[in-house]
Amino acid sequence: AQRVTQPEKLLSVFKGAPVELKCNYSYSGSPELFWYVQYSRQRLQLLLRHISRESIKGFTADLNKGETSFHLKKPFAQEEDSAMYYCALSASPGAGSYQLTFGKGTKLSVIP
Amino acid sequence: NAGVTQTPKFQVLKTGQSMTLQCAQDMNHEYMSWYRQDPGMGLRLIHYSVGAGITDQGEVPNGYNVSRSTTEDFPLRLLSAAPSQTSVYFCASSYSSKAGGGLPLHFGNGTRLTVT
Repeated sequence: AQRVTQPEKLLSVFKGAPVELKCNYSYSGSPELFWYVQYSRQRLQLLLRHISRESIKGFTADLNKGETSFHLKKPFAQEEDSAMYYCALSASPGAGSYQLTFGKGTKLSVIP
Repeated sequence: NAGVTQTPKFQVLKTGQSMTLQCAQDMNHEYMSWYRQDPGMGLRLIHYSVGAGITDQGEVPNGYNVSRSTTEDFPLRLLSAAPSQTSVYFCASSYSSKAGGGLPLHFGNGTRLTVT
């Protein structure tokens, strides 16, 4: 079974401070990891995926298979980063699983 | 390009009533799915489809039915609404299911359902 844990329901940081949203996963195979974001009154949208190894809106996330983690980081928080963030996991392509499992989400609040 | 369109945006039902939540996508996506979002629970998969005529259950399928007669549409039916089905429902699609896995999902705006 695949499981995603986001230990923080709410994270408050000051503008300009570093941000780290934690995500740990449990999966026996080789996973694909994603971060989705939901801004106020907007639909969920993909923020980034680990295989792309890219930085979106200043956010990065590195897959650490040893620690089974995929933490989301940004060096300097902006007020517009305030949103709900979801970590998600799926099986690797070709594994025959079509289920994307989401964590319970972390609400990020950036204090001006 | 409308993307994923869900209707209605809001709905109030009485216990025992039935209704259908509509989802349509115009991106020719093979994969479509329904999630429910509850406070403190994140998003949980209800049903999904990897192509027209093919559906399967997710994590929380009880009380819901789906069908996929066309590539574009994936309606979710509540057969006999219960207060426990009060939630926000999201439809999501992805461009290919052949590779399996979790290809990037495109979400609709959601339907907020209240069952009294």
